[in-house]
Amino acid sequence: QVQLVESGGGVVQPGRSLRLSCAASGFTFSTYGMYWVRQAPGKGLEWVAIIWYDGSNKYYADSVKGRFTISRDNSQNTLYLQMNSLRAEDTAVYYCAREGYSGSYLMDVWGKGTTVTVSS
Amino acid sequence: DIQMTQSPSSLSASVGDRVTITCRASQSISSSLNWYQQRPGKAPKLLIYAASSLQSGVPSRFSGSGSGTDFTLTISSLQPEDFATYYCQQSYSTPRAFGQGTKVEIK
Repeated sequence: QVQLVESGGGVVQPGRSLRLSCAASGFTFSTYGMYWVRQAPGKGLEWVAIIWYDGSNKYYADSVKGRFTISRDNSQNTLYLQMNSLRAEDTAVYYCAREGYSGSYLMDVWGKGTTVTVSS
Repeated sequence: DIQMTQSPSSLSASVGDRVTITCRASQSISSSLNWYQQRPGKAPKLLIYAASSLQSGVPSRFSGSGSGTDFTLTISSLQPEDFATYYCQQSYSTPRAFGQGTKVEIK
């Protein structure tokens, strides 16, 4: 079935780096745009980044621009988020989501999330 | 950037009640508006896309309306499994901002 599985979360000190992965299965990964969305403890959803189906375009939230890099490997059906210079405010559950389209762009498939805690 | 504002931030309702949640965009987004449901500890789930289209498998008690800047999510008869947080999200432009969420609680 269609599935997204995130991994790579953990506890990291401020200023350090972490790379998240999102393994896709059950659909043709290379034909879909992909998102990272995060949720800080007790807070709402925050859109983090998007990458086009072929990796040709990438956009970031201002809060992570210059520190985070979204990428993908279509041969491995995997999405990545490289997070550098981590801050306490980056502590959150990170979800990957698939971008569908049906009259408007939408996030129709979500992973279960991976937790990142930035703390000394 | 387009800002999304939901109201109310929370509400209390009983099983069987009709519930309405409002979402306003800071500029016109045509019908590029999606609604998601998030139960505690779970990933968000797409309910409504393109302002009024019901995602496959979503019960018909959920409906969406609106265009331009003002949108509404309606639950016609609240069920126990509907107690959750609901988010609107614009897909008109990047960044694809979410509203701050509306928590629907049991009265």
